[in-house]
Amino acid sequence: DIQMTQSPSSLSASVGDRVTITCRASQDISNDLAWYQQKPGKAPKSLIYAGSPLQSGVPSRFSGSGSGTDFTLTISSLQPEDFATYYCQQCNSFPLTFGGGTSVEI
Amino acid sequence: QVQLVESGGGVVQPGRSLRLSCAASGFTFSSYGMHWVRQAPGKGLEWVAVISDDGSYKNYVESVKGRFTISRDNSKSTLYLQMNSLRAEDTAVYYCAKAHSKSLSSWGQGTLVTVSS
Repeated sequence: DIQMTQSPSSLSASVGDRVTITCRASQDISNDLAWYQQKPGKAPKSLIYAGSPLQSGVPSRFSGSGSGTDFTLTISSLQPEDFATYYCQQCNSFPLTFGGGTSVEI
Repeated sequence: QVQLVESGGGVVQPGRSLRLSCAASGFTFSSYGMHWVRQAPGKGLEWVAVISDDGSYKNYVESVKGRFTISRDNSKSTLYLQMNSLRAEDTAVYYCAKAHSKSLSSWGQGTLVTVSS
């Protein structure tokens, strides 16, 4: 199985900050990586697919980059509604696997 | 707009069975693969199973193989997860999700399954 390692596991930030979350795959997954946002008590929401394209309706302050084994999710200017937990997921091969999550806190 | 509504969760004793349903609307259900993903209390996300658009392909995480069965009824736009021989470690919120462009593009609100004696 492909292991997905996210870092950091949590971070503290302020409104307006630039935030970067990294995700590393245990083997080459090309650009088959998705990012999700989850708020407490809510279902995950898809942000990014195939490494970088934004899902419809996702604000442009979110961006994704990377290929192969190393990927990044960047929030260019953190907004109050962005405080949440973020997960990466490899969609290259089954079983699909998620990173452990990154909690973005005030 | 895409809507996915799970149902069928509840409290069940170890070793018993439960069937989850996911009613889909707002898109052509028969054109998309579908997934189940679960989240144990206070834990991260775990992918459980996938089924292709026509039901011909299925795959499962190792921990549920032989116990869980994913299926779909395209005439009813409904996804199912039959869960047998349930264990305490199956306790989680179960989400159904629509596959698109190698991601899970839309998610339901989830249904809680608690396995306890």
